[in-house]
Amino acid sequence: GNSVTQMEGPVTLSEEAFLTINCTYTATGYPSLFWYVQYPGEGLQLLLKATKADDKGSNKGFEATYRKETTSFHLEKGSVQVSDSAVYFCALSDARGGADGLTFGKGTHLIIQP
Amino acid sequence: ETGVTQSPTHLIKTRGQQVTLRCSSQSGHNTVSWYQQALGQGPQFIFQYYREEENGRGNFPPRFSGLQFPNYSSELNVNALELDDSALYLCASSFDRGRDEKLFFGSGTQLSVL
Repeated sequence: GNSVTQMEGPVTLSEEAFLTINCTYTATGYPSLFWYVQYPGEGLQLLLKATKADDKGSNKGFEATYRKETTSFHLEKGSVQVSDSAVYFCALSDARGGADGLTFGKGTHLIIQP
Repeated sequence: ETGVTQSPTHLIKTRGQQVTLRCSSQSGHNTVSWYQQALGQGPQFIFQYYREEENGRGNFPPRFSGLQFPNYSSELNVNALELDDSALYLCASSFDRGRDEKLFFGSGTQLSVL
Protein backbone atom coordinates (compact mmCIF):
# COMPACT_ATOMS: atom_id res chain seq x y z
CA GLY A 1 0.00 0.00 0.00
CA ASN A 2 0.89 3.66 -0.10
CA SER A 3 2.83 5.33 2.69
CA VAL A 4 4.51 8.64 3.54
CA THR A 5 7.42 9.02 5.94
CA GLN A 6 8.50 12.41 7.21
CA MET A 7 11.06 13.48 9.75
CA GLU A 8 10.04 13.39 13.38
CA GLY A 9 9.66 16.62 15.27
CA PRO A 10 9.62 18.93 16.90
CA VAL A 11 12.08 20.85 14.78
CA THR A 12 13.26 24.02 16.50
CA LEU A 13 15.03 26.75 14.52
CA SER A 14 15.96 30.38 14.99
CA GLU A 15 14.35 33.05 12.84
CA GLU A 16 16.04 33.45 9.41
CA ALA A 17 17.48 29.93 9.52
CA PHE A 18 17.27 27.57 6.52
CA LEU A 19 14.59 24.91 6.77
CA THR A 20 14.44 21.39 5.36
CA ILE A 21 11.73 18.90 6.31
CA ASN A 22 12.34 15.51 4.73
CA CYS A 23 9.55 13.49 3.14
CA THR A 24 9.79 10.16 1.32
CA TYR A 25 6.97 8.08 -0.07
CA THR A 26 6.01 4.62 -1.26
CA ALA A 27 3.34 4.31 -3.93
CA THR A 28 2.33 1.74 -6.53
CA GLY A 29 1.77 4.26 -9.31
CA TYR A 30 2.78 7.83 -10.05
CA PRO A 31 1.22 9.88 -7.29
CA SER A 32 0.64 13.59 -6.89
CA LEU A 33 2.46 15.03 -3.88
CA PHE A 34 1.38 17.71 -1.42
CA TRP A 35 2.46 19.66 1.60
CA TYR A 36 -0.32 20.76 3.95
CA VAL A 37 0.23 23.08 6.94
CA GLN A 38 -1.77 23.34 10.15
CA TYR A 39 -1.37 26.61 12.06
CA PRO A 40 -2.40 26.63 15.73
CA GLY A 41 -6.19 26.54 16.11
CA GLU A 42 -6.84 26.26 12.36
CA GLY A 43 -7.66 23.54 9.83
CA LEU A 44 -5.12 22.06 7.44
CA GLN A 45 -4.32 24.28 4.45
CA LEU A 46 -2.66 23.34 1.18
CA LEU A 47 0.83 24.85 1.07
CA LEU A 48 2.05 23.51 -2.27
CA LYS A 49 1.79 20.55 -4.62
CA ALA A 50 3.51 18.82 -7.52
CA THR A 51 1.74 16.45 -9.88
CA LYS A 52 4.58 14.84 -11.86
CA ALA A 53 8.26 14.01 -11.63
CA ASP A 54 10.67 16.99 -11.54
CA ASP A 55 7.82 19.46 -10.90
CA LYS A 56 8.59 22.09 -8.27
CA GLY A 57 5.79 23.36 -6.09
CA SER A 58 6.24 26.73 -4.38
CA ASN A 59 4.25 29.09 -2.17
CA LYS A 60 5.00 31.69 0.53
CA GLY A 61 8.77 31.14 0.11
CA PHE A 62 8.47 27.37 0.56
CA GLU A 63 9.56 24.98 -2.20
CA ALA A 64 9.53 21.23 -2.80
CA THR A 65 10.65 19.23 -5.85
CA TYR A 66 9.09 15.90 -6.87
CA ARG A 67 12.03 13.48 -7.11
CA LYS A 68 10.89 10.18 -8.59
CA GLU A 69 14.35 8.58 -8.51
CA THR A 70 14.62 9.07 -4.74
CA THR A 71 10.84 8.98 -4.06
CA SER A 72 11.17 12.22 -2.12
CA PHE A 73 9.41 15.57 -1.78
CA HIS A 74 11.46 17.54 0.75
CA LEU A 75 10.13 20.91 1.93
CA GLU A 76 12.59 23.84 2.01
CA LYS A 77 12.58 27.51 2.89
CA GLY A 78 15.54 29.81 2.80
CA SER A 79 14.71 32.03 5.75
CA VAL A 80 12.01 31.06 8.24
CA GLN A 81 9.89 33.45 10.30
CA VAL A 82 8.19 33.05 13.66
CA SER A 83 4.86 32.98 11.78
CA ASP A 84 5.96 29.73 10.05
CA SER A 85 5.57 27.87 13.34
CA ALA A 86 3.03 25.14 12.60
CA VAL A 87 2.63 21.42 11.91
CA TYR A 88 3.57 20.38 8.35
CA PHE A 89 2.13 17.28 6.69
CA CYS A 90 3.45 15.61 3.56
CA ALA A 91 0.79 13.70 1.60
CA LEU A 92 0.23 11.80 -1.62
CA SER A 93 -2.73 11.08 -3.87
CA ASP A 94 -2.56 7.96 -6.00
CA ALA A 95 -3.98 7.09 -9.40
CA ARG A 96 -7.55 6.61 -8.20
CA GLY A 97 -7.45 10.11 -6.85
CA GLY A 98 -10.09 11.17 -4.45
CA ALA A 99 -11.62 7.72 -4.30
CA ASP A 100 -8.63 6.59 -2.25
CA GLY A 101 -8.16 9.88 -0.43
CA LEU A 102 -4.87 11.41 0.59
CA THR A 103 -2.22 9.38 2.41
CA PHE A 104 -0.57 11.59 5.02
CA GLY A 105 2.67 11.40 6.95
CA LYS A 106 2.59 11.81 10.73
CA GLY A 107 3.40 15.52 10.59
CA THR A 108 6.39 17.58 11.65
CA HIS A 109 5.96 20.23 14.33
CA LEU A 110 8.09 23.27 13.44
CA ILE A 111 8.93 25.83 16.13
CA ILE A 112 10.65 29.07 15.12
CA GLN A 113 12.23 31.09 17.90
CA PRO A 114 12.80 34.85 17.58
CA GLU B 1 -10.29 30.77 6.83
CA THR B 2 -11.21 27.75 4.69
CA GLY B 3 -14.98 28.25 4.62
CA VAL B 4 -15.55 24.74 6.00
CA THR B 5 -17.22 24.53 9.40
CA GLN B 6 -17.66 21.52 11.64
CA SER B 7 -19.87 20.93 14.66
CA PRO B 8 -19.60 20.29 17.47
CA THR B 9 -15.99 21.18 18.23
CA HIS B 10 -15.80 18.74 21.14
CA LEU B 11 -17.86 15.71 22.06
CA ILE B 12 -17.73 13.10 24.81
CA LYS B 13 -19.47 9.74 24.38
CA THR B 14 -19.38 6.37 26.09
CA ARG B 15 -18.48 3.04 24.53
CA GLY B 16 -21.34 1.49 22.55
CA GLN B 17 -23.11 4.78 21.84
CA GLN B 18 -23.71 6.32 18.44
CA VAL B 19 -22.49 9.75 17.29
CA THR B 20 -23.21 12.13 14.41
CA LEU B 21 -20.69 14.75 13.35
CA ARG B 22 -21.64 17.55 10.98
CA CYS B 23 -19.85 19.53 8.32
CA SER B 24 -20.76 22.50 6.16
CA SER B 25 -18.75 22.70 2.96
CA GLN B 26 -17.87 25.69 0.84
CA SER B 27 -20.61 26.68 -1.56
CA GLY B 28 -20.06 25.05 -4.95
CA HIS B 29 -17.97 22.18 -3.60
CA ASN B 30 -19.61 18.92 -4.67
CA THR B 31 -17.11 16.61 -2.95
CA VAL B 32 -16.58 16.01 0.75
CA SER B 33 -14.08 13.72 2.45
CA TRP B 34 -13.75 12.67 6.07
CA TYR B 35 -10.53 11.89 7.90
CA GLN B 36 -9.68 10.52 11.34
CA GLN B 37 -6.61 11.95 13.07
CA ALA B 38 -5.39 10.13 16.16
CA LEU B 39 -3.11 11.97 18.57
CA GLY B 40 0.39 12.37 17.11
CA GLN B 41 -0.62 10.83 13.77
CA GLY B 42 -1.47 12.14 10.34
CA PRO B 43 -5.06 12.16 9.11
CA GLN B 44 -6.41 8.80 7.84
CA PHE B 45 -8.95 8.69 5.03
CA ILE B 46 -12.37 7.38 6.05
CA PHE B 47 -14.47 7.98 2.91
CA GLN B 48 -15.39 10.45 0.21
CA TYR B 49 -18.79 11.54 -1.08
CA TYR B 50 -19.33 13.01 -4.53
CA ARG B 51 -22.75 14.44 -5.42
CA GLU B 52 -24.39 12.58 -2.53
CA GLU B 53 -22.95 9.15 -3.39
CA GLU B 54 -20.08 7.38 -1.65
CA ASN B 55 -17.16 7.58 -4.09
CA GLY B 56 -14.41 5.82 -2.18
CA ARG B 57 -13.63 4.36 1.22
CA GLY B 58 -10.55 3.79 3.33
CA ASN B 59 -9.85 0.94 5.71
CA PHE B 60 -12.71 1.65 8.12
CA PRO B 61 -15.51 -0.74 9.15
CA PRO B 62 -19.15 -0.30 8.04
CA ARG B 63 -20.13 1.20 11.39
CA PHE B 64 -18.59 4.38 9.97
CA SER B 65 -21.14 5.80 7.54
CA GLY B 66 -21.90 9.13 5.95
CA LEU B 67 -24.39 11.29 4.19
CA GLN B 68 -24.01 14.27 1.87
CA PHE B 69 -26.89 16.65 1.23
CA PRO B 70 -27.60 18.98 -1.71
CA ASN B 71 -27.15 22.07 0.49
CA TYR B 72 -23.38 21.42 0.91
CA SER B 73 -23.79 19.89 4.35
CA SER B 74 -22.70 16.38 5.30
CA GLU B 75 -22.61 13.98 8.22
CA LEU B 76 -20.32 11.32 9.59
CA ASN B 77 -22.08 8.69 11.70
CA VAL B 78 -20.28 6.22 13.90
CA ASN B 79 -22.21 3.36 15.53
CA ALA B 80 -21.17 1.15 18.45
CA LEU B 81 -18.38 3.48 19.54
CA GLU B 82 -15.12 1.94 20.69
CA LEU B 83 -12.39 3.48 22.81
CA ASP B 84 -10.07 3.57 19.77
CA ASP B 85 -12.53 5.87 18.00
CA SER B 86 -11.29 8.71 20.20
CA ALA B 87 -9.68 11.12 17.73
CA LEU B 88 -10.00 14.39 15.85
CA TYR B 89 -12.40 14.01 12.92
CA LEU B 90 -11.72 16.27 9.95
CA CYS B 91 -14.03 17.19 7.13
CA ALA B 92 -12.56 18.40 3.84
CA SER B 93 -14.42 19.74 0.85
CA SER B 94 -13.27 20.25 -2.73
CA PHE B 95 -14.70 21.54 -5.96
CA ASP B 96 -14.36 18.16 -7.65
CA ARG B 97 -13.11 14.63 -6.93
CA GLY B 98 -9.91 14.55 -9.01
CA ARG B 99 -6.65 13.46 -7.45
CA ASP B 100 -5.04 16.91 -7.73
CA GLU B 101 -7.93 18.77 -6.17
CA LYS B 102 -7.14 21.22 -3.37
CA LEU B 103 -8.87 20.15 -0.16
CA PHE B 104 -10.32 22.74 2.20
CA PHE B 105 -10.31 21.39 5.76
CA GLY B 106 -12.46 22.30 8.72
CA SER B 107 -10.94 22.65 12.19
CA GLY B 108 -12.33 19.30 13.24
CA THR B 109 -14.45 17.67 15.92
CA GLN B 110 -12.56 16.22 18.88
CA LEU B 111 -14.34 13.01 19.92
CA SER B 112 -13.56 11.36 23.24
CA VAL B 113 -14.97 7.88 23.92
CA LEU B 114 -14.99 6.84 27.57
